[in-house]
Amino acid sequence: GQNIDQPTEMTATEGAIVQINCTYQTSGFNGLFWYQQHAGEAPTFLSYNVLDGLEEKGRFSSFLSRSKGYSYLLLKELQMKDSASYLCAVFRAGANNLFFGTGTRLTVIP
Amino acid sequence: SAVISQKPSRDICQRGTSLTIQCQVDSQVTMMFWYRQQPGQSLTLIATANQGSEATYESGFVIDKFPISRPNLTFSTLTVSNMSPEDSSIYLCSVASSYNEQFFGPGTRLTVL
Repeated sequence: GQNIDQPTEMTATEGAIVQINCTYQTSGFNGLFWYQQHAGEAPTFLSYNVLDGLEEKGRFSSFLSRSKGYSYLLLKELQMKDSASYLCAVFRAGANNLFFGTGTRLTVIP
Repeated sequence: SAVISQKPSRDICQRGTSLTIQCQVDSQVTMMFWYRQQPGQSLTLIATANQGSEATYESGFVIDKFPISRPNLTFSTLTVSNMSPEDSSIYLCSVASSYNEQFFGPGTRLTVL
């Protein structure tokens, strides 16, 4: 079977750094995705890790350790507009589809 | 990236009726998916819509309840049959690029009374 765990909610201060963790157990792993979803909107792609290590893209970075079944999304210089849900998803090889975690609702406060 | 449109954007339906949701993509794609997102929850995959063959359903979802069509590489429909209030949800169409990245449509917000 598969399972993905993320914290349900997090709060951070504008301008700060926040790390959202994701642990997973799955068969046929072929990469890990992070999506951002604002309330009432569709998810939008943030990052994709298939190899171990850190991928940096502007204020957002994502890390993957396949041996540990662990990923994190790092958000720097937080802005109020970063308040959203952040979804961790595993790409399942063979099935060629995404399995989503429960999502982390991030609230950025002044 | 692919541009995806869905119709309707929202609907309010009576218990026992059926609703068909359409998904149109601006380019040919091999993989199309249908997800459900219940209020306050994450996305759950309903099925993979296969062109030229039956859809592949995830555990807990069946063809009689969620029939899917995929007549070509740019279009798919999902029908929510014999609806009940528990079917109230956002239904999202998604497509996969050649790099496994998935893009999502704007979603269809369904309320069943």
